[in-house]
Amino acid sequence: QQQVKQSPQSLIVQKGGISIINCAYENTAFDYFPWYQQFPGKGPALLIAIRPDVSEKKEGRFTISFNKSAKQFSLHIMDSQPGDSATYFCAARTSGSRLTFGEGTQLTVNP
Amino acid sequence: EAGVAQSPRYKIIEKRQSVAFWCNPISGHATLYWYQQILGQGPKLLIQFQNNGVVDDSQLPKDRFSAERLKGVDSTLKIQPAKLEDSAVYLCASSLVRPPATDTQYFGPGTRLTVL
Repeated sequence: QQQVKQSPQSLIVQKGGISIINCAYENTAFDYFPWYQQFPGKGPALLIAIRPDVSEKKEGRFTISFNKSAKQFSLHIMDSQPGDSATYFCAARTSGSRLTFGEGTQLTVNP
Repeated sequence: EAGVAQSPRYKIIEKRQSVAFWCNPISGHATLYWYQQILGQGPKLLIQFQNNGVVDDSQLPKDRFSAERLKGVDSTLKIQPAKLEDSAVYLCASSLVRPPATDTQYFGPGTRLTVL
């Protein structure tokens, strides 16, 4: 019940396109949903996060869409750029508990 | 502001040997985390410290892994003896406050361990 399932495993997008990564969870007690971006040889870095009391959060080209009834949330990257090529992890946490990460999505944006 | 520092960056050892990793968190960050990231997977929390006390070590294989944060600043993670399945990147992270406050975790670059 602590799992977070992430898809797709890998994604190839053309420059300027929209990248969409999806995550699903079971634990309805999760109350914090961050997305992390990881470049090769670096640690993950927080990209954007959402709480379940809102359905969408946008920061620049990055948007989280949250569907509480379906227990799903997704990351949308608008106008994808080659510099966005990285591995993206969704995660979830209940109050006071550890972060549970998804398996990751390797995004490649072709120029 | 300096980030989370980790050393070494790479380590290759034979199985049954011991190894230690070092982490220096961001100055003033009370909470320190050690994660294990196996290739192709997301990070998995091994242990969480609040100052120099352990908050969560439920996923730490205590028969071979140990960690300490003696003065509430630097931390070391040790594996003794290492197994082939310990090959992974070991990430250290720190945050200013402790959950449930939604505080950002800042990750170091990690130590890539290869066990032969």
